[in-house]
Amino acid sequence: AQKVTQAQTEISVVEKEDVTLDCVYETRDTTYYLFWYKQPPSGELVFLIRRNSFDEQNEISGRYSWNFQKSTSSFNFTITASQVVDSAVYFCALVTSGTYKYIFGTGTRLKVLA
Amino acid sequence: KAGVTQTPRYLIKTRGQQVTLSCSPISGHRSVSWYQQTPGQGLQFLFEYFSETQRNKGNFPGRFSGRQFSNSRSEMNVSTLELGDSALYLCASSLAGTGFGNTIYFGEGSWLTVV
Repeated sequence: AQKVTQAQTEISVVEKEDVTLDCVYETRDTTYYLFWYKQPPSGELVFLIRRNSFDEQNEISGRYSWNFQKSTSSFNFTITASQVVDSAVYFCALVTSGTYKYIFGTGTRLKVLA
Repeated sequence: KAGVTQTPRYLIKTRGQQVTLSCSPISGHRSVSWYQQTPGQGLQFLFEYFSETQRNKGNFPGRFSGRQFSNSRSEMNVSTLELGDSALYLCASSLAGTGFGNTIYFGEGSWLTVV
């Protein structure tokens, strides 16, 4: 069975702090894809990153970085120098090859305080 | 490039009524999938359509149905509404579907309240 666990329900940080959002996934498939989405209060889920199971290279995009570790089945997301605009709910998702379904975690609500 | 457009954005219905939600995908995208989001159950997959054919379905009762038109626009319908159907309904589109890890892009959703 496929599963995504985001154990952190809610995180509050002060602006300019770094914050890491955890994502742990479960799958027996060797080919799979992992995603992060951001959901601001407007409701739309905004795509942030896609990573396939054969690419464990970490990625950095501005203040965002992602750490993919197959050994621990984790795909963590770090925001450096957080800003109030980063306040949102962040979802991690898993798609295994051929299933046609996105499996989402329960989300982590991030509050960045000014 | 226009994103995924969902209408209506907000609606209130009475228990027992039916509702139809509409989704226009990103131009050129042939796959549309639907999700229900509630505080208790999170994001749950409803169904996916590709080239007018339902390719996959989640674990929802038959009251939830959908269809896709030749221009890739999609509608979902919920009949005999129940209070528990109150949720944010999100539509997402992709070029070739959610298989093989294709990225899906979401609309802003339709907020449905059943009273």
